Amino acid sequence: ETGVTQSPTHLIKTRGQQVTLRCSSQSGHNTVSWYQQALGQGPQFIFQYYREEENGRGNFPPRFSGLQFPNYSSELNVNALELDDSALYLCASSFQAGGHTGELFFGEGSRLTVL
Amino acid sequence: QKEVEQNSGPLSVPEGAIASLNCTYSDRGSQSFFWYRQYSGKSPELIMFIYSNGDKEDGRFTAQLNKASQYVSLLIRDSQPSDSATYLCAVSVNRDDKIIFGKGTRLHILP
Repeated sequence: ETGVTQSPTHLIKTRGQQVTLRCSSQSGHNTVSWYQQALGQGPQFIFQYYREEENGRGNFPPRFSGLQFPNYSSELNVNALELDDSALYLCASSFQAGGHTGELFFGEGSRLTVL
Repeated sequence: QKEVEQNSGPLSVPEGAIASLNCTYSDRGSQSFFWYRQYSGKSPELIMFIYSNGDKEDGRFTAQLNKASQYVSLLIRDSQPSDSATYLCAVSVNRDDKIIFGKGTRLHILP
């Protein structure tokens, strides 16, 4: 158990819809990172939030957006869903201090299927 | 050039033998290096991290880092069937501290 919780665990959407995924970080952690993991691939970095601000973004279009709240929980929003967005979405929390990245602790993921 | 590269495998190793997993990375400014294990249908779990050149041992696991060669490895001694999983190498990219993962190496321990 990492103390990182994600919801929902599974969901099915249709192309063009919007989805919001939620994550509660581990107590004491101040950074949340989101990853997309397609079947048979490694996790792809979407973005990271530190102290409620986006702190780094991977090669994902603007329709992927996020938020971090004062309690360090986070949301990932995806607009205009496409079939290729079907994947496991992983949230990971960490503690960042002095520019040094701490190790990531992952939640169990949200599996999104887009039909 | 991909930022973090791993051989996708599968790597088959007899039970009790040493499994050796390798990873190369492209950003010379990288400072933090991680190995994660991921069982099928589960999320990645941290096995080890290493920040300095050389070896770091934790139980049956040894991580090795060579920054000059931009190379990280993980050795698993006395391999057990429960070690069968995908092993993900991850590297922090210095400029904004994001952690980038390789595609992972599938390890299969033969009983």
